[in-house]
Amino acid sequence: DVKVTQSSRYLVKRTGEKVFLECVQDMDHENMFWYRQDPGLGLRLIYFSYDVKMKEKGDIPEGYSVSREKKERFSLILESASTNQTSMYLCASVLGNQPQHFGDGTRLSIL
Amino acid sequence: DAKTTQPPSMDCAEGRAANLPCNHSTISRNEYVYWYRQIHSQGPQYIIHGLKNNETNEMASLIITEDRKSSTLILPHATLRDTAVYYCIVRVGLYNAGNNRKLIWGLGTSLAVNP
Repeated sequence: DVKVTQSSRYLVKRTGEKVFLECVQDMDHENMFWYRQDPGLGLRLIYFSYDVKMKEKGDIPEGYSVSREKKERFSLILESASTNQTSMYLCASVLGNQPQHFGDGTRLSIL
Repeated sequence: DAKTTQPPSMDCAEGRAANLPCNHSTISRNEYVYWYRQIHSQGPQYIIHGLKNNETNEMASLIITEDRKSSTLILPHATLRDTAVYYCIVRVGLYNAGNNRKLIWGLGTSLAVNP
């Protein structure tokens, strides 16, 4: 089975900190995604990557950046965390036209 | 904007079939219907997908109307562990450049399976 692993289930950071969320997949998938999920808003795409060092903005990229130096790892970076970035963050990966596989999410709180 | 419409919530008795509807009246000819579910505190889990024929796997059945403007996900014998939010999504089958890679997520249907 495909495994998508997010580095933390729960994370608490302070306003202004630089925050790194890590995601690793073990099935050589070329496409990887970062979403955030908020009550009443559903899943919203932040960034996705279709190959190493390649990235495209999703629907809400402001305040975020990403890094994909290796195929299996896709990192989401909050350059200067703010309280409105408190959310559940979900990583997903996919091979070709197969369905997306998700990690279990990181619940991030910015104080 | 999400291209699908689902009821916000449904109830089902344990052991009975759960039929979850989805309206996708603007679906394009090359778009597939995907179903995912999300159990509390977990990431979404893929269930099933189809283009125009009905599909069945070990988890569920997918019935797509002939005009493809709506579909129904059927959990034949719902259990308490099927309590989750169910998402119906349409997208093109191949991940080409740009927006074809993205899934547009609505708010789904919150299914409660009752003992």
